[in-house]
Amino acid sequence: GAGVSQSPSNKVTEKGKDVELRCDPISGHTALYWYRQRLGQGLEFLIYFQGNSAPDKSGLPSDRFSAERTGESVSTLTIQRTQQEDSAVYLCASSPDRINEQFFGPGTRLTVL
Amino acid sequence: AQTVTQSQPEMSVQEAETVTLSCTYDTSESDYYLFWYKQPPSRQMILVIRQEAYKQQNATENRFSVNFQKAAKSFSLKISDSQLGDAAMYFCAYRSEQGGATNKLIFGTGTLLAVQP
Repeated sequence: GAGVSQSPSNKVTEKGKDVELRCDPISGHTALYWYRQRLGQGLEFLIYFQGNSAPDKSGLPSDRFSAERTGESVSTLTIQRTQQEDSAVYLCASSPDRINEQFFGPGTRLTVL
Repeated sequence: AQTVTQSQPEMSVQEAETVTLSCTYDTSESDYYLFWYKQPPSRQMILVIRQEAYKQQNATENRFSVNFQKAAKSFSLKISDSQLGDAAMYFCAYRSEQGGATNKLIFGTGTLLAVQP
C-alpha cells in the first residue's frame, strides 16, 4: 500500500517568509510525528498527534512553529517568519498506534536564504 | 532526560566483510525499546532492527544483529556479509515505554557507513 508522503520535496524560501509543509500519513494510522533533521545531525522530535487527543507539542523549538492535524488525516507543519537556522529536513512519521513501528516519509528539505 | 550517543561519525567496510556500529544510551527507565534505522541518500528512514529492553536475547534480522548490554547501556549493530546497498547513514534510537509517554524516538547523531567494493 501507499506509504507516508510529504510535500513539497524541497522548499526554498526567503528569511521572514512563512512556510507550510504537508504530511499524508498511511491510511488508518492514528499516531503522527514530526521530526527535524539538521545537517549532520540526528532527528529531533517536534510534535506528536494521537487520534483526537491533545497533541504533544513539547519539541517545538519556538512559537513560530505550529502544526495541525484533522482527525487521522493530513497534517501541516507551519513555520512563521522563517530564520536561517530553520533550514533542515522535516520528516513526518505515522504509526498504527502509539506503541507500534513508526513509518517515515521522505521528508521536506527546507532551505531559508 | 534520555540521550543516545553514537561515537563513530564514519565507518568503512569491505564488501562481504563484517562491521559493528556502536551506540550507547542513558536512561533511568526500565521499559524501553531500542532501534537501528538506516537512512540512504533518498532520506527515507528504514527500520533495520528493534530490541525490547525486557528481552535478554539479542534481536536478529537476516544479516543484521545487535549486541544489547542493558547494564552497560550499550546497543551495537553488527552487519554481516556487507553489501554495497548497505551504504547509508545509520541511526540508533530510543523509545520510552513508560506509561503515558509519547513514544517519540530519541536519536543519536548517526554513523555514515561506506561499503568498499
